[in-house]
Amino acid sequence: GAVVSQHPSWVICKSGTSVKIECRSLDFQATTMFWYRQFPKQSLMLMATSNEGSKATYEQGVEKDKFLINHASLTLSTLTVTSAHPEDSSFYICSARVGSRRSQETQYFGPGTRLLVL
Amino acid sequence: AQSVTQLGSHVSVSEGALVLLRCNYSSSVPPYLFWYVQYPNQGLQLLLKYTTGATLVKGINGFEAEFKKSETSFHLTKPSAHMSDAAEYFCAVSGSASKIIFGSGTRLSIRP
Repeated sequence: GAVVSQHPSWVICKSGTSVKIECRSLDFQATTMFWYRQFPKQSLMLMATSNEGSKATYEQGVEKDKFLINHASLTLSTLTVTSAHPEDSSFYICSARVGSRRSQETQYFGPGTRLLVL
Repeated sequence: AQSVTQLGSHVSVSEGALVLLRCNYSSSVPPYLFWYVQYPNQGLQLLLKYTTGATLVKGINGFEAEFKKSETSFHLTKPSAHMSDAAEYFCAVSGSASKIIFGSGTRLSIRP
C-alpha cells in the first residue's frame, strides 16, 4: 500500500532556531500534500495545502512566514518552522493525496513529527 | 463548509462488548466521511470511508459504519471489542475541496 514517511520523527531545538520537517511519499507521486498540527489530546488541525510547483494555501490563522512550506517534487514536501518558540511545540503530521477524481481520492498519513522547542 | 461532532471524548467498554462511537456531520455539499484510528505517538490509519453508494461501509479490523443522511450521522461500530482496539478514533468529513476536517476524537478504552 501507499506509504508516507516523515523525517525526523522527533526533534528538540532551542527557541529561535528553525526546524525543517520532510514528508515523502515513498511509492507513489502526490501532487497535493497536507500539513496538520495536533496538540496533546486534541484533534488534527489543517495548517496548509501543499501543491507541487506552486505556493501553498494556508488555513486562516496560520502564519505563512512562520510555517514555510515547499513542495519541490511529486514525492517531497517540507515544512520549516522558522524562529521556533515553545508554543510551536506540537505533533506535526503530513498526508499525501492520491487519485485524480474526488470519488477515487485517498489521503495517506505520515507517522508524524514531534517537535519540542525549549 | 463542513464540520464534525464526535459525541463522547472517552468511551470505555468491556472486552467482547459492542463498540459504538458516535459521529454527526454538517456539510453544504454531499460529504465524504471517514473514520481514522490513531495509536499513541503514531500517525493516522484509515479504518473506512464512505463516498457514494452503499450506506453501510465495512472497514478493517471488523469495524463498520453506516451513513444516515436523514440523521447526518456516521456512527462507527464493532460487534466485539478486542484489547488491541484501544486507541483514539477520529471521524472526519471532506467536501468538494478535498480538505479533510477532523472531529475532536474519541478515546476508546477496553476493560479486561
